[in-house]
Amino acid sequence: AQKITQTQPGMFVQEKEAVTLDCTYDTSDQSYGLFWYKQPSSGEMIFLIYQGSYDEQNATEGRYSLNFQKARKSANLVISASQLGDSAMYFCAPDWGPNDMRFGAGTRLTVKP
Amino acid sequence: DTGVSQDPRHKITKRGQNVTFRCDPISEHNRLYWYRQTLGQGPEFLTYFQNEAQLEKSRLLSDRFSAERPKGSFSTLEIQRTEQGDSAMYLCASSSFKGYTFGSGTRLTVV
Repeated sequence: AQKITQTQPGMFVQEKEAVTLDCTYDTSDQSYGLFWYKQPSSGEMIFLIYQGSYDEQNATEGRYSLNFQKARKSANLVISASQLGDSAMYFCAPDWGPNDMRFGAGTRLTVKP
Repeated sequence: DTGVSQDPRHKITKRGQNVTFRCDPISEHNRLYWYRQTLGQGPEFLTYFQNEAQLEKSRLLSDRFSAERPKGSFSTLEIQRTEQGDSAMYLCASSSFKGYTFGSGTRLTVV
């Protein structure tokens, strides 16, 4: 069965420092992309970054970068220069098909001033 | 582009009552998804539509759950005979080839 593991239920980071959020998964699929979403306390899921199955270079979006290692089935999110507004839940979501985007249990990030 | 809208934002209902939630997707998005999220967990896929066709419904949690998208635009999710275990956030998302957009969700509390 396909499974997604986010091993860090909670993380703390000092403001302006970088933080890496881990995501590993288990799948036999060969072709899939991967999303990271942010969910603040308001509840809305906010798209952060996506990397497609055949993208050769790791995706970057502003302060977010994705370290996508398909051979290791891992896709870590790096947030550089953390801001207080980055405090939220973060979810890794492999996209295994049009009806099969699944989410990990999430990591709660707290940015300390 | 006004985003994905969900109504209501919050719903409190007594056990045994029926509830219906509405989702208005981004107008040009032809795919629409429903997820359920319980406390401390990631969203769990329930069902999805391509236009008005419901292409996946095997993961609806029980036969008390049903969803419609009659004209390929807005969608409704109905829960009949609610139980306390149905208390959760219900999220709707729509997608195009550019990616997924989520609504703010409907938080259901069954008392």
